[in-house]
Amino acid sequence: QKEVEQNSGPLSVPEGAIASLNCTYSDRGSQSFFWYRQYSGKSPELIMFIYSNGDKEDGRFTAQLNKASQYVSLLIRDSQPSDSATYLCAVNRRNDMRFGAGTRLTVKP
Amino acid sequence: EAQVTQNPRYLITVTGKKLTVTCSQNMNHEYMSWYRQDPGLGLRQIYYSMNVEVTDKGDVPEGYKVSRKEKRNFPLILESPSPNQTSLYFCASSLSNTGSRRPQHFGDGTRLSIL
Repeated sequence: QKEVEQNSGPLSVPEGAIASLNCTYSDRGSQSFFWYRQYSGKSPELIMFIYSNGDKEDGRFTAQLNKASQYVSLLIRDSQPSDSATYLCAVNRRNDMRFGAGTRLTVKP
Repeated sequence: EAQVTQNPRYLITVTGKKLTVTCSQNMNHEYMSWYRQDPGLGLRQIYYSMNVEVTDKGDVPEGYKVSRKEKRNFPLILESPSPNQTSLYFCASSLSNTGSRRPQHFGDGTRLSIL
């Protein structure tokens, strides 16, 4: 079992729809959870981070964390074609970091 | 401008020829790390550093060395590169005295090809 798992996709949604990206992790001691967006050939860019159970909203983005289920998700409302990218889930584990392989999202006009 | 700077951005070299990829940050960050990114495998952490003179292995440290003599610099050294180290490499840093708990800022990446 991978330490951080994501569906590789591709996930395709129409413009204006809600995109839902999911991530599970195996280490119950994980403390911090991050979502990065990565455009092809570019470096990862932080979208959201969340430390506590529940929801955290920032503009069109909402991160959800459920530590009991070891599950973290990212919702993108009113998806735009510019949101088309690979989304990486990252989980801190003591002093190191583990990334999922990423979910490729395509938003179709 | 706050940034993480990697050099070189691209490098093609041959097996066994020692190389160093430099990484520098201007944000006074304590935590720095190196990752490699390969298709289907995502980002994997190679080494990280909690502070000056404090380094530790990540997920895939074999074949790599690092040093942290100054807070701003964290070079990645490949003493004897091999073709399986062909990859896209990222340096990252974060303002943290609690390891990797804080968000990390990434450099633009270095694409290495080992022939």
